[in-house]
Amino acid sequence: KQEVTQIPAALSVPEGENLVLNCSFTDSAIYNLQWFRQDPGKGLTSLLLIQSSQREQTSGRLNASLDKSSGRSTLYIAASQPGDSATYLCAVDNAGNMLTFGGGTRLMVKP
Amino acid sequence: DAGITQSPRHKVTETGTPVTLRCHQTENHRYMYWYRQDPGHGLRLIHYSYGVKDTDKGEVSDGYSVSRSKTEDFLLTLESATSSQTSVYFCAISEGGHYGYTFGSGTRLTVV
Repeated sequence: KQEVTQIPAALSVPEGENLVLNCSFTDSAIYNLQWFRQDPGKGLTSLLLIQSSQREQTSGRLNASLDKSSGRSTLYIAASQPGDSATYLCAVDNAGNMLTFGGGTRLMVKP
Repeated sequence: DAGITQSPRHKVTETGTPVTLRCHQTENHRYMYWYRQDPGHGLRLIHYSYGVKDTDKGEVSDGYSVSRSKTEDFLLTLESATSSQTSVYFCAISEGGHYGYTFGSGTRLTVV
C-alpha cells in the first residue's frame, strides 16, 4: 500500500524567502505525482503535475522535482509572498486511476 | 473549477437520515472520485467510478454507496448518516493514465 509523507507539517517564513516542501512515498512505481494548494475552507487547486518520465515541472515561481528511485519530490517556492500562505498537498497516482495523499504542509508567509 | 460542480455546498442532517451528494462534470472525463477530508486523516478515497455503472470501493467505503448512470454525474449516498460521517466531501475527475486530477469545491456535511 502506497504511503505518502510530507515534511514539515507546518512552516512559517518571512516574506521573500525561498522555501522547499518535501514529499516522500514508499512505492516508486508511480504514474504521476501532483502538487495541490488548498486555502482554508476551499477546494484543491492543482499546481503542478509531474509524470513518471519527467524529472521536474515549473510554473512561475514554483518548481517541483521528482526522484522516483528515492521516492521523493520537492516543491520549491521562490521569493515567497503572503498570498502563498495555504496548505500544500502532495498526491501520488500509482495505477493511473487513484490518488494517495500526504498529510500536507501548512505554510504561513509573514509580511 | 468550472468543469466540476458539487451540490449542495453545505448540508446539516440528522443521524439516521439518508443523504445524497451530487458531483457533476462537463469535461467528459472517464474517472470520477469521492474523497473525504478530515483533520488528522487527510484526504481518503471513498469510492470511484471508471465508467457508467462501473464503480469500485476505496479506502473508507463502509456506510457509503455510489451510482453513476450518466458520464457527467456521480452520486454519493449515505444510507443512514452517522456523526462519524461529518466531514468535507470532495469530488474529483480524471482522464486516467498520465493525466492529472481536478477537484470540486467540496461539500461540508454535518450530521447532528
